[in-house]
Formats: sequence, structure tokens, C-alpha cells
Amino acid sequence: DIQMTQSPSSLSASVGDRITITCQASQDISNDLNWYQQKPGQAPKLLIYGASNLETGVPSRFRGSGSGTDFTFTISSLRPEDFGTYFCQQYGDLPFTFGPGTKVDIK
Amino acid sequence: QVQLQESGPGLVKPSETLSLTCSVSGASVSSDSYYWSWIRQPPGKGLEWIGFIYNSGRRNYNPSLKSRVTISVDTSKNHISLRLSSVTAADTAVYYCSAGYYRLHAFDIWGQGSMVLVSS
Repeated sequence: DIQMTQSPSSLSASVGDRITITCQASQDISNDLNWYQQKPGQAPKLLIYGASNLETGVPSRFRGSGSGTDFTFTISSLRPEDFGTYFCQQYGDLPFTFGPGTKVDIK
Repeated sequence: QVQLQESGPGLVKPSETLSLTCSVSGASVSSDSYYWSWIRQPPGKGLEWIGFIYNSGRRNYNPSLKSRVTISVDTSKNHISLRLSSVTAADTAVYYCSAGYYRLHAFDIWGQGSMVLVSS
């Protein structure tokens, strides 16, 4: 299985801050990576697909980049509603696997 | 607008079989446009893909669960089923039904999740 790691595991930031989360795959997955946001008690929500493509309806402050084994997820200007846990997910090979998540708190 | 709704017992005894149903509205489970998956999340932990089904019968399962899991569709009821046999406490989780619209690998539609506790 392809192992996914994320850093940091958690972060706390202020409204308006730029935050960055990294995701690393244990092997080359090209750009076969998605990003999800999950709020407590809710199902995940797809934000980014194909490493850098914004899902329809997702605000442009969310951005993804990277390819191969190293990926980055950025929120350019943090808003109060952006709290939650963010997961990366690879589909370069079966089984699909997820990163352990990054919990984002608003200061 | 496609909506998914999971249902099933909230409590299953160890060694028994977990059975969940995902009722689909707004689309046919036999549609070629959708790929149907089950994903689970143990309390306080990350997400684990269980498997998918599409074209009413093509399936793939996570090898870690393959010997115990069955995903099927019932076109007459328009729902997707999950069966997981010989459960243990490690199978305690929220189980999500999910779908990808024209995408096998991206989960853009989710149910609200069904919590299953494995305990005697």
C-alpha cells in the first residue's frame, strides 16, 4: 500500500493568516491526489482533485500543488469557517489511502 | 441532486457480520455515471477506504479487508450494501457511503455516516 504522511498534525492560526499543509506519499503518485475538509460530526468534503484542481463551488482561497511524492495544500487567507481536519488521499494505486489528517484551529 | 443515506444496526457483537445499507436518491445505482464506495473512520482516527462497486457489479476491495467484505447493489431498491464478517472491536467506526461522479477515485458525494460499535 502507498503510505501517506501529513505535517503538521495540527496547527492554530488567526483569521487572515496563510496556512500550509504538506502531504508526502511513500512512492511516486504523479498528481493523483485529492484534498478533503472534515468538520466535527460531518462527512468529509472534497476540495481539491488531481493535486491542483479546485472542486466546483470551493472558494479560491484553497489551493493545491505538487506532484510525484510531495504535495502542498494552502489556504491563502484563513476564514473562521475553515476550522476542521484536512486529509490528503492518493489514487495513484489501489488501495486508495488517506493521510492521517491535519487539524486546523482558529485562534 | 444525489443524496446518500446509510442505515443499519448501531451495535454488532464480535464475530458476527456487520450489514449496512446506503439508500441512493437522485440517481440510479446502475448508472454508469457514478462509482460507489464505502469508507470508514474509527473514532478520533483517520479514513480507510473499504472498497468500491460500479457498473452494478465491478468491484475492488481493500486487501486488508478483502477476505471479510462484500459490497453489492440492489437495483430494485436502489441501494448499495456493505457486509463485513467476523467483526472485532477494531471494526468499530463511522461507516460512510460515498460516490464519485464520473470519477472512480474522488469522493464528491457522501452520506452522513453510520456509527457501528462492535461490542458484546
